[in-house]
Amino acid sequence: EAGVAQSPRYKIIEKRQSVAFWCNPISGHATLYWYQQILGQGPKLLIQFQNNGVVDDSQLPKDRFSAERLKGVDSTLKIQPAKLEDSAVYLCASSPRGGPNTEAFFGQGTRLTVV
Amino acid sequence: AQKITQTQPGMFVQEKEAVTLDCTYDTSDPSYGLFWYKQPSSGEMIFLIYQGSYDQQNATEGRYSLNFQKARKSANLVISASQLGDSAMYFCAMREGEGNTGFQKLVFGTGTRLLVSP
Repeated sequence: EAGVAQSPRYKIIEKRQSVAFWCNPISGHATLYWYQQILGQGPKLLIQFQNNGVVDDSQLPKDRFSAERLKGVDSTLKIQPAKLEDSAVYLCASSPRGGPNTEAFFGQGTRLTVV
Repeated sequence: AQKITQTQPGMFVQEKEAVTLDCTYDTSDPSYGLFWYKQPSSGEMIFLIYQGSYDQQNATEGRYSLNFQKARKSANLVISASQLGDSAMYFCAMREGEGNTGFQKLVFGTGTRLLVSP
């Protein structure tokens, strides 16, 4: 089966510009996650969707970050305006609904550099 | 409060030897799952092994085994017969809550960098 697809792979922008990332999860997976991974750190959960509803966005900086998952399938994450500290890899992951032993499947990530 | 703690920033091991990567966790939920992921320099996160809170036996997957000590809240990863390709970052993660709702968060530790030398 096809894995989690993310685009673009790399993005360089200037501070105060806006940027958007796209994620297409594995077909049929109800849960979608966006993680931010700063260099040298573990992934930090930004937002979690169950189908097209948000179930956790407690660590999403809502003044500049937004995310949506239209029709419960693919998702976009936007940053507007970007700051230098937003430089990180943004990982999208998905998992099927139900079962405590359901691991998350990750995409290859988008590496964002803000200059 | 930190949910997942990995106290070893880096570990070195010689090829063909075994290595243990430490992970402790904190939760008051009786139902949870523990995962280990490998992240090579290419960046993708690769699932290695899973342990459920109610599992009676330690999980094993090929050369990977999980030393699960529930009372101590530890879930250490053991890699036997290390290979050069095992050099990577390793992350411990925990999913809390009842699985049927699908609403569990998956939180990660800070990772351990493993270097396997010839």
